Amino acid sequence: EAGVAQSPRYKIIEKRQSVAFWCNPISGHATLYWYQQILGQGPKLLIQFQNNGVVDDSQLPKDRFSAERLKGVDSTLKIQPAKLEDSAVYLCASSPQLGTDTQYFGPGTRLTVL
Amino acid sequence: GENVEQHPSTLSVQEGDSAVIKCTYSDSASNYFPWYKQELGKRPQLIIDIRSNVGEKKDQRIAVTLNKTAKHFSLHITETQPEDSAVYFCAASKGLGNFNKFYFGSGTKLNVKP
Repeated sequence: EAGVAQSPRYKIIEKRQSVAFWCNPISGHATLYWYQQILGQGPKLLIQFQNNGVVDDSQLPKDRFSAERLKGVDSTLKIQPAKLEDSAVYLCASSPQLGTDTQYFGPGTRLTVL
Repeated sequence: GENVEQHPSTLSVQEGDSAVIKCTYSDSASNYFPWYKQELGKRPQLIIDIRSNVGEKKDQRIAVTLNKTAKHFSLHITETQPEDSAVYFCAASKGLGNFNKFYFGSGTKLNVKP
C-alpha cells in the first residue's frame, strides 16, 4: 500500500511569514496526527484528527497554528506568522481503524525559519 | 499527562555487541509501547511494539521487555550491525475513548562501530 505523503519536503521562510504543509494519509485511515520534531528531540503531538473531527489539539499553539481535515482525508497545517522557534520537522502520521494503535509516519517537512 | 523519559541519549557499541535502551513512563493507564527507528533525514519506522498484557516480545535480533509495576520498558538489540545505527524513539500510548494518544521519548542515537 502507498505510504503517508507529505509536501513540501523542505521549506525555508523568514520570520513573520506564513507557511502551509499538506498531508495525505494512507487510504482508509481514520486517524491523522501532526507532530513537531525539533532537532534532537522526540516528536511532539500538535493535533490529532478522527475522520474530520479534532480529538486533541491541547498542544497546538492556536494563536499561530491551525489545521484542518475538511473531508476526513488529507489535511493541511498552517503557521501564521512563523517564529524562529518553529524551525523543525513536521511529521504527519495516520492510523487505520478506531482504537488501532499502530501509526505510520510520512517523510516529514523540514521547516527553516530565518 | 504522560511523561516518557528515555536513556541514554547516545550509545556507541562495537559491531556484534548488544545495545539496550531504556524508557520509563508515568501514567499507569498506558497500555501500548512502540519503538521507532529513525535514520538521518527519514521518517520514523515502527520496529517492534508491546502491549501491557505481555512482558516480553522478540523479533529476530530485536526484543522489548515491559515491567508494568516499575513502569519501564526496554529495547534490546543483539549482534548489532552498522545498519542499526540510527536514532531510536520509544513511545507510550493509552486509549482515550476511540483513539490513542502517543507520548514520545527524547530519542537515543545509536552508533554501531564496524
